[in-house]
Amino acid sequence: QVQLVESGGGLVKPGGSLRLSCEASGFTFSEYYMIWIRQAPGKGPEWVAYISGSAKSKYYADPVRGRSSISRDNAENLLYLDINSLRPEDTALYYCARVKHGSGSYLGHWGQGTLVTVSS
Amino acid sequence: SYVLSQPPSVSVAPGETARIPCGGDNIATKSVHWYQQRPGQAPVLVIFYDSDRPSGIPGRFSGSNSDNTATLTISGVEAGDEADYFCQVWETTTDHHVVFGGGTKLTVL
Repeated sequence: QVQLVESGGGLVKPGGSLRLSCEASGFTFSEYYMIWIRQAPGKGPEWVAYISGSAKSKYYADPVRGRSSISRDNAENLLYLDINSLRPEDTALYYCARVKHGSGSYLGHWGQGTLVTVSS
Repeated sequence: SYVLSQPPSVSVAPGETARIPCGGDNIATKSVHWYQQRPGQAPVLVIFYDSDRPSGIPGRFSGSNSDNTATLTISGVEAGDEADYFCQVWETTTDHHVVFGGGTKLTVL
């Protein structure tokens, strides 16, 4: 079955950097768009970045554009999110999810998330 | 940017029908998807393409989409349905590619 396992979260000081990872299994990873979603405490989900199966297309949400980078290693079934210049408002649970891409894409499978806390 | 509006909360008694609206400008022209998030858990897809159910989701869950409102309907509500529910569209005409509603907390009385 589809499994997504995130890692790499932790406590980071403002201005710091972090690399989040998502290990995928149970499906042909390279055939799917993948997305990072975050959810601040008590808030709804917010998309962060997503990437096509070939990694040729990448998109970023305004709050992280210019200070984040999404990438993937299709040989190892791994998805990454690098974020720098971290701010307190980046504090959230970060999920990776598999995208069913098409006319009206949706997130068919989510991981359990990794917590990022930005605080001095 | 495209906005999806949901009421913060909906309450129903066990066995009753819960209807959770998701409002958006001409939302009927978009595909709407719904996620259930129980406390402390990751979101789970319960409805996709307005009214389709993933395997494993009970038939009590259904969806519709018309004019300016999409609706998630849960029939015969059970205690285990108490959760937050989010609607979502994938908007490609603006930079806000993935749009979520603010979420509705379903309380089973």
